[in-house]
Amino acid sequence: DADVTQTPRNRITKTGKRIMLECSQTKGHDRMYWYRQDPGLGLQLIYYSFDVKDINKGEISDGYSVSRQAQAKFSLSLESAIPNQTALYFCATSDSKGTSGSSYNEQFFGPGTRLTVL
Amino acid sequence: SQKIEQNSEALNIQEGKTATLTCNYTNYSPAYLQWYRQDPGRGPVFLLLIRENEKEKRKERLKVTFDTTLKQSLFHITASQPADSATYLCAWGSSASKIIFGSGTRLSIRP
Repeated sequence: DADVTQTPRNRITKTGKRIMLECSQTKGHDRMYWYRQDPGLGLQLIYYSFDVKDINKGEISDGYSVSRQAQAKFSLSLESAIPNQTALYFCATSDSKGTSGSSYNEQFFGPGTRLTVL
Repeated sequence: SQKIEQNSEALNIQEGKTATLTCNYTNYSPAYLQWYRQDPGRGPVFLLLIRENEKEKRKERLKVTFDTTLKQSLFHITASQPADSATYLCAWGSSASKIIFGSGTRLSIRP
Protein backbone atom coordinates (compact mmCIF):
# COMPACT_ATOMS: atom_id res chain seq x y z
CA ASP A 1 0.00 0.00 0.00
CA ALA A 2 1.13 3.53 -0.73
CA ASP A 3 2.49 5.49 2.22
CA VAL A 4 0.66 8.71 1.29
CA THR A 5 -2.76 8.38 -0.33
CA GLN A 6 -5.07 11.02 -1.74
CA THR A 7 -8.76 10.80 -2.58
CA PRO A 8 -10.24 11.41 -5.02
CA ARG A 9 -7.61 11.08 -7.75
CA ASN A 10 -9.70 13.04 -10.21
CA ARG A 11 -12.64 15.38 -9.67
CA ILE A 12 -14.67 17.58 -11.96
CA THR A 13 -16.97 20.07 -10.28
CA LYS A 14 -18.85 23.28 -10.96
CA THR A 15 -18.20 26.82 -9.86
CA GLY A 16 -19.56 27.51 -6.38
CA LYS A 17 -19.51 23.91 -5.16
CA ARG A 18 -17.77 22.90 -1.94
CA ILE A 19 -15.06 20.32 -2.47
CA MET A 20 -12.99 18.31 -0.01
CA LEU A 21 -9.74 16.59 -0.89
CA GLU A 22 -8.44 14.04 1.56
CA CYS A 23 -4.97 12.86 2.43
CA SER A 24 -3.93 9.94 4.62
CA GLN A 25 -0.48 8.68 5.52
CA THR A 26 0.90 5.56 7.14
CA LYS A 27 4.44 6.87 7.53
CA GLY A 28 3.91 8.08 11.09
CA HIS A 29 5.11 11.56 10.15
CA ASP A 30 4.04 14.55 12.21
CA ARG A 31 4.16 17.17 9.45
CA MET A 32 1.73 17.41 6.54
CA TYR A 33 1.40 19.84 3.64
CA TRP A 34 -0.94 20.75 0.81
CA TYR A 35 0.45 22.10 -2.49
CA ARG A 36 -1.01 22.99 -5.83
CA GLN A 37 0.82 22.63 -9.11
CA ASP A 38 -0.06 24.53 -12.27
CA PRO A 39 1.58 24.02 -15.68
CA GLY A 40 4.81 26.03 -15.92
CA LEU A 41 4.73 26.96 -12.23
CA GLY A 42 6.38 25.38 -9.26
CA LEU A 43 4.61 23.73 -6.40
CA GLN A 44 2.89 26.39 -4.32
CA LEU A 45 2.26 25.80 -0.63
CA ILE A 46 -1.37 26.21 0.43
CA TYR A 47 -1.34 25.10 4.09
CA TYR A 48 0.91 23.12 6.35
CA SER A 49 0.53 21.44 9.73
CA PHE A 50 3.31 20.49 12.12
CA ASP A 51 1.00 18.52 14.39
CA VAL A 52 -2.71 18.10 15.02
CA LYS A 53 -3.02 21.43 16.82
CA ASP A 54 -0.63 23.43 14.66
CA ILE A 55 -1.97 24.60 11.30
CA ASN A 56 -0.45 27.41 9.26
CA LYS A 57 -1.20 29.27 6.07
CA GLY A 58 1.12 28.93 3.12
CA GLU A 59 1.66 31.39 0.31
CA ILE A 60 -1.69 30.86 -1.44
CA SER A 61 -4.24 30.01 1.27
CA ASP A 62 -7.06 32.32 0.11
CA GLY A 63 -10.11 30.32 -0.93
CA TYR A 64 -8.93 27.19 0.89
CA SER A 65 -9.29 25.74 4.38
CA VAL A 66 -7.86 22.64 6.04
CA SER A 67 -8.57 20.23 8.84
CA ARG A 68 -6.09 17.95 10.61
CA GLN A 69 -8.41 15.29 11.97
CA ALA A 70 -5.63 13.07 13.27
CA GLN A 71 -1.88 12.80 12.88
CA ALA A 72 -2.45 10.63 9.81
CA LYS A 73 -5.17 12.69 8.11
CA PHE A 74 -5.13 16.16 6.57
CA SER A 75 -8.03 17.44 4.47
CA LEU A 76 -8.17 20.39 2.11
CA SER A 77 -11.47 22.15 1.39
CA LEU A 78 -12.48 24.57 -1.29
CA GLU A 79 -15.47 26.33 0.21
CA SER A 80 -16.76 27.73 -3.08
CA ALA A 81 -14.75 26.44 -6.01
CA ILE A 82 -13.80 28.77 -8.86
CA PRO A 83 -12.25 27.94 -12.26
CA ASN A 84 -8.80 29.30 -11.41
CA GLN A 85 -8.57 26.63 -8.71
CA THR A 86 -8.30 24.07 -11.48
CA ALA A 87 -4.94 22.44 -10.81
CA LEU A 88 -3.11 19.36 -9.61
CA TYR A 89 -3.13 19.14 -5.82
CA PHE A 90 -0.51 17.27 -3.82
CA CYS A 91 -0.36 16.27 -0.21
CA ALA A 92 3.05 15.70 1.35
CA THR A 93 4.47 14.59 4.67
CA SER A 94 7.76 14.99 6.47
CA ASP A 95 9.22 13.81 9.74
CA SER A 96 10.59 16.35 12.19
CA LYS A 97 12.67 13.55 13.68
CA GLY A 98 13.96 12.24 10.33
CA THR A 99 17.50 11.06 9.74
CA SER A 100 18.18 13.99 7.44
CA GLY A 101 17.75 16.40 10.32
CA SER A 102 14.68 18.12 11.63
CA SER A 103 15.35 21.29 9.71
CA TYR A 104 15.84 19.75 6.33
CA ASN A 105 12.37 18.65 5.53
CA GLU A 106 12.59 15.78 3.04
CA GLN A 107 9.03 15.52 1.81
CA PHE A 108 7.06 12.48 0.70
CA PHE A 109 4.32 13.22 -1.78
CA GLY A 110 1.03 11.56 -2.53
CA PRO A 111 -0.05 10.70 -6.09
CA GLY A 112 -2.01 13.92 -6.53
CA THR A 113 -5.61 14.92 -7.18
CA ARG A 114 -6.48 16.47 -10.52
CA LEU A 115 -9.25 18.99 -9.90
CA THR A 116 -11.21 20.69 -12.67
CA VAL A 117 -13.64 23.49 -11.85
CA LEU A 118 -16.03 24.33 -14.67
CA SER B 1 10.54 38.90 -3.83
CA GLN B 2 12.11 35.51 -3.26
CA LYS B 3 12.48 33.60 -6.47
CA ILE B 4 13.69 30.24 -7.70
CA GLU B 5 14.60 29.75 -11.35
CA GLN B 6 15.44 26.58 -13.17
CA ASN B 7 17.41 27.49 -16.23
CA SER B 8 15.32 25.81 -18.86
CA GLU B 9 11.93 24.26 -19.24
CA ALA B 10 13.29 21.35 -21.24
CA LEU B 11 16.60 19.67 -21.89
CA ASN B 12 17.19 17.02 -24.53
CA ILE B 13 20.42 15.03 -24.53
CA GLN B 14 21.77 11.79 -25.89
CA GLU B 15 22.04 8.62 -23.85
CA GLY B 16 25.39 8.22 -22.17
CA LYS B 17 26.10 11.94 -21.88
CA THR B 18 26.01 13.95 -18.67
CA ALA B 19 22.87 15.97 -18.08
CA THR B 20 23.36 19.22 -16.16
CA LEU B 21 20.41 21.13 -14.73
CA THR B 22 20.68 24.56 -13.11
CA CYS B 23 18.75 26.13 -10.26
CA ASN B 24 19.26 29.75 -9.22
CA TYR B 25 17.80 31.77 -6.36
CA THR B 26 17.41 35.50 -5.72
CA ASN B 27 16.55 37.54 -2.63
CA TYR B 28 16.95 34.47 -0.49
CA SER B 29 19.43 32.88 1.91
CA PRO B 30 18.68 29.18 1.89
CA ALA B 31 19.97 26.78 4.49
CA TYR B 32 19.62 23.79 2.17
CA LEU B 33 18.59 22.64 -1.27
CA GLN B 34 16.66 19.59 -2.35
CA TRP B 35 16.20 17.97 -5.76
CA TYR B 36 13.14 15.93 -6.65
CA ARG B 37 12.16 13.84 -9.64
CA GLN B 38 8.60 13.93 -10.96
CA ASP B 39 7.19 11.53 -13.52
CA PRO B 40 3.98 12.34 -15.46
CA GLY B 41 0.89 11.85 -13.35
CA ARG B 42 2.86 11.22 -10.17
CA GLY B 43 4.00 13.13 -7.12
CA PRO B 44 7.60 14.32 -6.79
CA VAL B 45 10.12 11.91 -5.31
CA PHE B 46 13.02 13.15 -3.19
CA LEU B 47 16.50 12.52 -4.62
CA LEU B 48 19.16 14.53 -2.82
CA LEU B 49 19.68 17.20 -0.19
CA ILE B 50 22.68 19.50 0.18
CA ARG B 51 23.26 21.96 3.01
CA GLU B 52 24.66 25.48 2.66
CA ASN B 53 27.99 24.45 4.18
CA GLU B 54 28.45 21.59 1.71
CA LYS B 55 29.95 22.15 -1.73
CA GLU B 56 29.02 18.86 -3.32
CA LYS B 57 26.94 15.74 -2.70
CA ARG B 58 26.85 12.49 -4.64
CA LYS B 59 24.52 9.55 -4.86
CA GLU B 60 25.24 6.88 -7.44
CA ARG B 61 25.12 8.66 -10.84
CA LEU B 62 23.79 11.89 -9.33
CA LYS B 63 25.84 14.86 -8.19
CA VAL B 64 24.65 18.15 -6.72
CA THR B 65 26.68 21.28 -6.08
CA PHE B 66 25.80 24.36 -4.03
CA ASP B 67 27.53 27.68 -4.75
CA THR B 68 26.43 30.43 -2.36
CA THR B 69 28.50 33.02 -4.22
CA LEU B 70 26.79 32.36 -7.54
CA LYS B 71 23.49 31.63 -5.74
CA GLN B 72 23.22 28.49 -7.78
CA SER B 73 22.96 24.73 -7.65
CA LEU B 74 23.93 22.36 -10.44
CA PHE B 75 22.41 18.88 -10.71
CA HIS B 76 24.31 16.35 -12.79
CA ILE B 77 23.25 12.92 -14.03
CA THR B 78 26.22 11.05 -15.44
CA ALA B 79 25.96 8.22 -17.99
CA SER B 80 22.36 9.26 -18.61
CA GLN B 81 19.78 6.66 -19.60
CA PRO B 82 16.32 6.94 -21.19
CA ALA B 83 14.87 5.91 -17.80
CA ASP B 84 16.24 9.19 -16.38
CA SER B 85 13.72 11.10 -18.52
CA ALA B 86 11.47 13.03 -16.15
CA THR B 87 10.89 16.50 -14.74
CA TYR B 88 13.38 17.54 -12.08
CA LEU B 89 12.43 20.07 -9.42
CA CYS B 90 14.75 21.99 -7.17
CA ALA B 91 13.57 23.35 -3.85
CA TRP B 92 15.33 25.83 -1.59
CA GLY B 93 14.63 25.89 2.13
CA SER B 94 15.55 28.15 4.98
CA SER B 95 13.62 26.28 7.65
CA ALA B 96 11.30 23.34 8.09
CA SER B 97 8.32 25.40 7.02
CA LYS B 98 9.80 27.68 4.42
CA ILE B 99 10.57 25.82 1.22
CA ILE B 100 10.24 27.16 -2.31
CA PHE B 101 10.02 24.94 -5.37
CA GLY B 102 11.21 25.79 -8.86
CA SER B 103 8.97 25.14 -11.84
CA GLY B 104 11.07 22.21 -13.00
CA THR B 105 13.15 21.16 -15.97
CA ARG B 106 11.81 18.44 -18.24
CA LEU B 107 14.71 16.17 -19.15
CA SER B 108 14.54 13.86 -22.16
CA ILE B 109 17.26 11.29 -22.83
CA ARG B 110 17.21 10.00 -26.38
CA PRO B 111 18.64 6.56 -27.19
